[in-house]
Amino acid sequence: LAKTTQPISMDSYEGQEVNITCSHNNIATNDYITWYQQFPSQGPRFIIQGYKTKVTNEVASLFIPADRKSSTLSLPRVSLSDTAVYYCLVGDDYGQNFVFGPGTRLSVLP
Amino acid sequence: DSGVTQTPKHLITATGQRVTLRCSPRSGDLSVYWYQQSLDQGLQFLIQYYNGEERAKGNILERFSAQQFPDLHSELNLSSLELGDSALYFCASSASGLAVLGGDTGELFFGEGSRLTVL
Repeated sequence: LAKTTQPISMDSYEGQEVNITCSHNNIATNDYITWYQQFPSQGPRFIIQGYKTKVTNEVASLFIPADRKSSTLSLPRVSLSDTAVYYCLVGDDYGQNFVFGPGTRLSVLP
Repeated sequence: DSGVTQTPKHLITATGQRVTLRCSPRSGDLSVYWYQQSLDQGLQFLIQYYNGEERAKGNILERFSAQQFPDLHSELNLSSLELGDSALYFCASSASGLAVLGGDTGELFFGEGSRLTVL
């Protein structure tokens, strides 16, 4: 089972780009990478998912190097409302893409 | 609005009691997941059901049980409650519980949670 490692916390300022890296050295061939965002007292919300290279949507970008042993969630020009916990999940069709680790607590400062 | 409905939103009870939390998944979603989140803690995966059958089990205590009914709604039963069971309990649903590469992402849709306080 691929296990993920993320920084426990990060600080940023409004308007900056934030990059959160997740390590998953044991990622398997069929595994894909999914990121969620959670605000206090709310359930997590899907941000982005990818398998390799780069994926971009209206909220974020996900960079995955060729060896897929890590991934980086990029949030462009963060605002105070991006203060949340960000989770990286790795798994395939049959497991662990629903098991959350401790996540990264992002604090955006004015 | 994720489309996942959880009831009750808040529940206060005493130690030793039993409670039932209910979850209605998004229309058409076959998989339901239960999570426990204590104050300032991470999301602890408890159990997953797919179309009425238990599919995966996490760190769910023996005092806890769950089931998914034919109409796909699910209930989480917590018995012999202890102070440490006080937490937010989230239910999530996904379309199939399977994520086909390039197709269904297996995205989880979470409800607003049920906040349980054990006194």
